[in-house]
Amino acid sequence: DAGVTQSPTHLIKTRGQQVTLRCSPKSGHDTVSWYQQALGQGPQFIFQYYEEEERQRGNFPDRFSGHQFPNYSSELNVNALLLGDSALYLCASSQTGTGLYNEQFFGPGTRLTVL
Amino acid sequence: DQQVKQNSPSLSVQEGRISILNCDYTNSMFDYFLWYKKYPAEGPTFLISISSIKDKNEDGRFTVFLNKSAKHLSLHIVPSQPGDSAVYFCAASGAWGTDSWGKLQFGAGTQVVVTP
Repeated sequence: DAGVTQSPTHLIKTRGQQVTLRCSPKSGHDTVSWYQQALGQGPQFIFQYYEEEERQRGNFPDRFSGHQFPNYSSELNVNALLLGDSALYLCASSQTGTGLYNEQFFGPGTRLTVL
Repeated sequence: DQQVKQNSPSLSVQEGRISILNCDYTNSMFDYFLWYKKYPAEGPTFLISISSIKDKNEDGRFTVFLNKSAKHLSLHIVPSQPGDSAVYFCAASGAWGTDSWGKLQFGAGTQVVVTP
């Protein structure tokens, strides 16, 4: 049973560029959430996608956008990259409707470095 | 505004002894709490969770305790093993139907080192 997969594993960009990160959820999961983890900190919630729509959003600017496809996979796009966007980007998947609680399973992350 | 806090950045414990990790939260709307373990170069791995209707949940060597009145939870690992050396994150979310449902809020993590 494949878990959550993310690509690429590492990425180097320069300021002002745009980046797209990809995530495939765990088999049977229909909900994808994205988190940003800066060095020495816990993950910060960016947004969550369900039924191809953004359902929840954290305190991130509009430069951060996403998409969910009919097969439940998802993309995270960041425009006009800043040095402060350098972080580990984590994707988590879950199954909506299996109960009141939202247990999320994480992928290995994409390490983004902005120079 | 950090709503979930882990005030101990690191913990060193001998193999076979108990590891106790602590976590405090400020948002009284939080309804579900989780602990994750993270090794370098890997994503967080789910360990154990607890809902606000319980005060204790056990799974093998891992036990989570919740004190709602104090807005405090702890993770006990007994006995500690060298493979438990990792960063442990506490996370919380709101109940279904609330604004914070599905948005896991994490603490900064506690680095645990288990020595032989």
